[in-house]
Amino acid sequence: GAGVSQSPSNKVTEKGKDVELRCDPISGHTALYWYRQSLGQGLEFLIYFQGNSAPDKSGLPSDRFSAERTGGSVSTLTIQRTQQEDSAVYLCASSSTQSSYEQYFGPGTRLTVT
Amino acid sequence: GQNIDQPTEMTATEGAIVQINCTYQTSGFNGLFWYQQHAGEAPTFLSYNVLDGLEEKGRFSSFLSRSKGYSYLLLKELQMKDSASYLCAVHSGGYNKLIFGAGTRLAVHP
Repeated sequence: GAGVSQSPSNKVTEKGKDVELRCDPISGHTALYWYRQSLGQGLEFLIYFQGNSAPDKSGLPSDRFSAERTGGSVSTLTIQRTQQEDSAVYLCASSSTQSSYEQYFGPGTRLTVT
Repeated sequence: GQNIDQPTEMTATEGAIVQINCTYQTSGFNGLFWYQQHAGEAPTFLSYNVLDGLEEKGRFSSFLSRSKGYSYLLLKELQMKDSASYLCAVHSGGYNKLIFGAGTRLAVHP
């Protein structure tokens, strides 16, 4: 059974460019989360998807950030017009049901904006 | 506001016991989690407390006092591989959104 996978593992981009980060949750998991972890900091919640319900976008830091989840499985986090402060590790997690609190994390994407 | 506090760094000796504390002030509370994160790796689930008291799982135990907004993670018989960051997280409000503390970096020495 594969775990949560994310791609790319590392991304270096120039300030002002757009980036897309991908997450493949564990098969059958209905809930998917995106977090951001800056160097030496805790995890910052970004967005949450649960089945076909409207996503909880309350953690997105600005309108440059958006996320989609197609077919209830794969998710893409898009950052437009990247800024240096966007540099961080972006972690994706999934869980099996709305009442299951154990979240399984992917390895993350390390984003560096130069 | 939401606030979760834990010490930034701790050191301990192999074979010893260490207690990592976490205090929280959140607008709601539906449970408290501890995650372990080795450098450069994803966090992995350690424990979940929703009721007051001690939950024991092998060498690791987690305690919760909801009235005090306080939890601790107890690690016994420390091993070198326990050197990692330990993240305290509170499930607050709707959905399964977790609010994380900044983490405690534990260094285990021989």
